[in-house]
Amino acid sequence: QQPVQSPQAVILREGEDAVINCSSSKALYSVHWYRQKHGEAPVFLMILLKGGEQKGHEKISASFNEKKQQSSLYLTASQLSYSGTYFCGTADTGFQKLVFGTGTRLLVSP
Amino acid sequence: DTGVSQDPRHKITKRGQNVTFRCDPISEHNRLYWYRQTLGQGPEFLTYFQNEAQLEKSRLLSDRFSAERPKGSFSTLEIQRTEQGDSAMYLCASSSTGGSYEQYFGPGTRLTVT
Repeated sequence: QQPVQSPQAVILREGEDAVINCSSSKALYSVHWYRQKHGEAPVFLMILLKGGEQKGHEKISASFNEKKQQSSLYLTASQLSYSGTYFCGTADTGFQKLVFGTGTRLLVSP
Repeated sequence: DTGVSQDPRHKITKRGQNVTFRCDPISEHNRLYWYRQTLGQGPEFLTYFQNEAQLEKSRLLSDRFSAERPKGSFSTLEIQRTEQGDSAMYLCASSSTGGSYEQYFGPGTRLTVT
């Protein structure tokens, strides 16, 4: 079943913060976060693994609550380049396919 | 590190024709995934390979779809007898099994079936 993301859309002014949530009904091994701009491929932002390991871009932070099967992506001091659609992708084993969430559209205005 | 590449970037075809797409993964990655994405939706899994072995196929992958990775390097995705519903962005991603699990996507092939 597809993970549910919230909010569906958010508008920020440059410099503001945002939190994007991803909730799954299944036990998860990992959560992957991507940003996609219109007409382009998803760009990897962050991976969070069961057990606490995570890897990603320096300016991006995220959390993974394994018990609640939820993850949150924290965008601080937003920049215009942060605009796009954010997807979480979840996997229930280490090397399996990703099931992508419903997406969150983010617009950062000057 | 040259990233994942896909060819062609765009393909327009008439209904009923066959099309083939190519994906070249990041050189040291032995896992390769195909996804399909339609407008406004997240990518949907189609199939994946570890080296040359195809390990899983989605129910979305009808008999008209076939994928290969003959030498464990590049992969091809073929769609036979295309239908208008096949119009989508076809994305390829690759990952390593050497301790990192993140998948890196290529630029995609946008297919339009007229």
